[in-house]
Amino acid sequence: GQQLNQSPQSMFIQEGEDVSMNCTSSSIFNTWLWYKQDPGEGPVLLIALYKAGELTSNGRLTAQFGITRKDSFLNISASIPSDVGIYFCAGLLVKTSYDKVIFGPGTSLSVIP
Amino acid sequence: DAGITQSPRYKITETGRQVTLMCHQTWSHSYMFWYRQDLGHGLRLIYYSAAADITDKGEVPDGYVVSRSKTENFPLTLESATRSQTSVYFCASNRGGTGAPGVYGYTFGSGTRLTVV
Repeated sequence: GQQLNQSPQSMFIQEGEDVSMNCTSSSIFNTWLWYKQDPGEGPVLLIALYKAGELTSNGRLTAQFGITRKDSFLNISASIPSDVGIYFCAGLLVKTSYDKVIFGPGTSLSVIP
Repeated sequence: DAGITQSPRYKITETGRQVTLMCHQTWSHSYMFWYRQDLGHGLRLIYYSAAADITDKGEVPDGYVVSRSKTENFPLTLESATRSQTSVYFCASNRGGTGAPGVYGYTFGSGTRLTVV
């Protein structure tokens, strides 16, 4: 079946540093979503991407829809302690296929004050 | 309060017991979902529902039963719990419509951590 890979699996950074993570697949997707999960909570939608090459920002977060449509990237600038959590990507092949949303395994981010 | 709530937050049960996880949303969203989250697997869809009395299987439905008699409630039942069902379970909702999974994403509950001993 379709699978998403996320890298790195985990990262430890100093407060103030920039963060980059990515999500890759062997399959083509039409939509990419990025979620953040705080410890002990459910995931929260951060950014949604709909077109190859699209670059979208949400505050200090910037995400890109890869040109090949097989990958997506998330960058966090000037990290702060509340950025700690697990970041999930999710891919959709067809916008209305609720049972075709594929989630990646997540990237765990730790921020050292 | 408006939102999506799951209960209980934590549950320990014995192998072979039946256990029901509750999910309630106050937005009247059409779609509701049950996911399980396991280390290294991300989120995997168990069941979903497009409306009251309409449910469908997801990726990992075996051993689970769902019902949706009212729009706002979507309980998940483990008929005979097994250790492999130890996991964190998330309920989610989505208001539906064209392009909805991508446009609106899902709103997730805070999860139920289930341990089967």
